[in-house]
Amino acid sequence: EPEVTQTPSHQVTQMGQEVILRCVPISNHLYFYWYRQILGQKVEFLVSFYNNEISEKSEIFDDQFSVERPDGSNFTLKIRSTKLEDSAMYFCASSPTGVSGYEKLFFGSGTQLSVL
Amino acid sequence: DQQVKQNSPSLSVQEGRISILNCDYTNSMFDYFLWYKKYPAEGPTFLISISSIKDKNEDGRFTVFLNKSAKHLSLHIVPSQPGDSAVYFCAARFYNQGGKLIFGQGTELSVKP
Repeated sequence: EPEVTQTPSHQVTQMGQEVILRCVPISNHLYFYWYRQILGQKVEFLVSFYNNEISEKSEIFDDQFSVERPDGSNFTLKIRSTKLEDSAMYFCASSPTGVSGYEKLFFGSGTQLSVL
Repeated sequence: DQQVKQNSPSLSVQEGRISILNCDYTNSMFDYFLWYKKYPAEGPTFLISISSIKDKNEDGRFTVFLNKSAKHLSLHIVPSQPGDSAVYFCAARFYNQGGKLIFGQGTELSVKP
């Protein structure tokens, strides 16, 4: 079964550094998402991306965050200047359709980001 | 933000018995509800969903019930198997907001042989 892949599985960085989390969505999917889960808390929506632009973002997704689809297969989340509170498991997800369908999201295994 | 709540952090069930996981929501604008299962070191995996216009959806051992008047949904697993042991997340979607899901806190299910 096709799957969403994320790299790296673990990322350790110093506060203030930039990090890029990488994802390869399922190949025929059109909608891409980032979610995160801080330890002990809920899975939270960050951003959705379609047709090379952000379609929706949450309050968490401030100017420190950006997303990009640099080529036909990768989808990245960049955090420009990491803070301690950015430490979380970051999940990439994709779906074949978006608003129009009762589609399900397919999630990757996540990248555990630790900011020291 | 408590729009989707799973009040039981954990549930333990004997193999072969029924597991019932509960979820409450507060916003009547949700139009679609999903259950995801998550194993350690993996991402959430879709399990079953239900539209707000239905009150029941069944898929094999899994059935989701929706009570709109009570703003409550439940996931029934019958019979429960040890491989069902995982964290189960309830999630809801606003009308016309595609993949923006609002998740509950999760319930850790343990099925004992």
